[in-house]
Amino acid sequence: RKEVEQDPGPFNVPEGATVAFNCTYSNSASQSFFWYRQDCRKEPKLLMSVYSSGNEDGRFTAQLNRASQYISLLIRDSKLSDSATYLCVVSPLTGGFKTIFGAGTRLFVKA
Amino acid sequence: DGGITQSPKYLFRKEGQNVTLSCEQNLNHDAMYWYRQDPGQGLRLIYYSQIVNDFQKGDIAEGYSVSREKKESFPLTVTSAQKNPTAFYLCASSNPYQASTNEKLFFGSGTQLSVL
Repeated sequence: RKEVEQDPGPFNVPEGATVAFNCTYSNSASQSFFWYRQDCRKEPKLLMSVYSSGNEDGRFTAQLNRASQYISLLIRDSKLSDSATYLCVVSPLTGGFKTIFGAGTRLFVKA
Repeated sequence: DGGITQSPKYLFRKEGQNVTLSCEQNLNHDAMYWYRQDPGQGLRLIYYSQIVNDFQKGDIAEGYSVSREKKESFPLTVTSAQKNPTAFYLCASSNPYQASTNEKLFFGSGTQLSVL
């Protein structure tokens, strides 16, 4: 079993749609959780951190369920510019060398 | 502006050749990392360095070497022993001593390495 698992997609949605991604992780000792966005052949960029209480940043909402060991990302009112790969990232403790990256979920938003 | 600079953007390697990828950061970060990304896979850690003059193997270090002589620089050499080097290579840094950013990784723009 992979340490961090994501549905690779692709998710094809029309502009304005709401789309949700889930991610599961296997290490119950994980402490830090993130969603990164990656465009083709570009570096990953931090989209948002994920907290147990849930957090929202504009059209993006992230949730963490520690009991079930999964993380979600909800994108409302999708824009063409949201088309990218979304990486679920988990860190068991402080220190980037323990960070585990999911393989990513591909999103295509169409006009 | 502070950031991480990787060069070159594209690199071609001939069989049996060693090539070196450059990574420089001016973020004053202590920790630096090298990742490899293959299509459809997550980033895999090659080497990391938590402080100058010290570095550790990651999950896929075989066929690679690094040095950390300066805080700002963490070059990666892909040696001829790496039989499948074609991949997208990403350098990253972090500052584990700043509570607000200690787990977050800052990435360079990447180097695409291909074999001729």
